Amino acid sequence: QSVLTQAPSASGTPGQRVTISCSGSSSNIGSNYVYWYQQLPGTAPKLLIYRNNQRPSGVPDRFSGFKSGTSASLAISGLRSEDEADYYCAAWDDSLSGPVVFGGGTKLTVL
Amino acid sequence: EVQLLESGGGLVQPGGSLRLSCVASGFTFSNYAMSWVRQAPGKGLEWVSGLSGGGGTTYNADSVKGRFTISRDNAKNTLYLQMNSLRAEDTAVYYCAKDTDWGSGSYVGLDVWGQGTTVAVSS
Repeated sequence: QSVLTQAPSASGTPGQRVTISCSGSSSNIGSNYVYWYQQLPGTAPKLLIYRNNQRPSGVPDRFSGFKSGTSASLAISGLRSEDEADYYCAAWDDSLSGPVVFGGGTKLTVL
Repeated sequence: EVQLLESGGGLVQPGGSLRLSCVASGFTFSNYAMSWVRQAPGKGLEWVSGLSGGGGTTYNADSVKGRFTISRDNAKNTLYLQMNSLRAEDTAVYYCAKDTDWGSGSYVGLDVWGQGTTVAVSS
């Protein structure tokens, strides 16, 4: 199983706000930045959030990242059908599990 | 346009070797750390290896230590992954990715990805 824990699935309806969580430990999320990736079906991952809450150029402000203690979350507001994808959290890990660990991914379905 | 183009994937028998290449364009390659990330069929992402811009610092996942070697040729804007002693569990799409951070690199923040190259290990 993955070092960072994510729920395998999430869902929402268009326009809704959904949150995807990522749980870690003191050696990863607790002491390092969290990153979030979006992977649309059949495509390469795309960086969505870096350094906990920063958005790369071109990423809509509907996407927000949060971190508290050893957990992090990705919030998507104004949900759209094109947001249906897999979402992964990632962090540097200072323990033997590292150096870079990913969550198992959350498949977001837009109903 | 910033681009990464992987090649070198294919079908290989268990215990065999393969070398992946990733050609970069559109940015100053030597200024950025680079990483390889893989994804087994139907599974999540797994970070494999990372290398600093100058090539002096290397990181590897435990699952590939002693078997995989990451390297780069900055004169050719090319990243490599030499994979030896391949196992069935190495079967995956392998992506090369550029670091977000100029200089030392984060190895976690990867803002440009290639399209991936498929490695299948089977007898």
